Amino acid sequence: GQNIDQPTEMTATEGAIVQINCTYQTSGFNGLFWYQQHAGEAPTFLSYNVLDGLEEKGRFSSFLSRSKGYSYLLLKELQMKDSASYLCAVRDPNYGGSQGNLIFGKGTKLSVKP
Amino acid sequence: NAGVTQTPKFRVLKTGQSMTLLCAQDMNHEYMYWYRQDPGMGLRLIHYSVGEGTTAKGEVPDGYNVSRLKKQNFLLGLESAAPSQTSVYFCASSAEAGGSFQETQYFGPGTRLLVL
Repeated sequence: GQNIDQPTEMTATEGAIVQINCTYQTSGFNGLFWYQQHAGEAPTFLSYNVLDGLEEKGRFSSFLSRSKGYSYLLLKELQMKDSASYLCAVRDPNYGGSQGNLIFGKGTKLSVKP
Repeated sequence: NAGVTQTPKFRVLKTGQSMTLLCAQDMNHEYMYWYRQDPGMGLRLIHYSVGEGTTAKGEVPDGYNVSRLKKQNFLLGLESAAPSQTSVYFCASSAEAGGSFQETQYFGPGTRLLVL
């Protein structure tokens, strides 16, 4: 079956670093996405990994290991505005669509405290 | 450039009533999607479309119908609403992947539906 696991909730302190893990088991793999979703708002794109390794984008980095079915999102210099849910999604070419539709994890709610 | 818009933003229905949710995008995207998001369940794909005039079922299609008569619009219909369809509905769109797999999905602001 298809399964994407992330921690339900995390808490961190302003200015600190936090790592949000995502493990996946899907029938196929065509890329992994991270989205940020503030309460009551739409998800917005953060990062994309298709090859193993680290992708860095300012305060945000995302890592992928395809052999382990594992990714993490690293947030540095945390700010209060980073309080949001973070969604991990895998594109599975066996899940319909042209290149494959996205399968979403349930999301990790991050609370940043002063 | 409005991106992806959804109408209405919020709606209350009684069991058995019907309604249509409208999604519009102005980015000339080929692909459009309807998701529902429930607490503790994450985003689940209802139906999707890979181009004008085509639709396909996603993970949870029962009780919903869709139409894509124009490239920029994707309609989600509930013929006979049930309390289990109380949810937040998100529409999304993405460009044709072509040679790049990096194309992400852009989400609308959501429609909050309560079925009593």
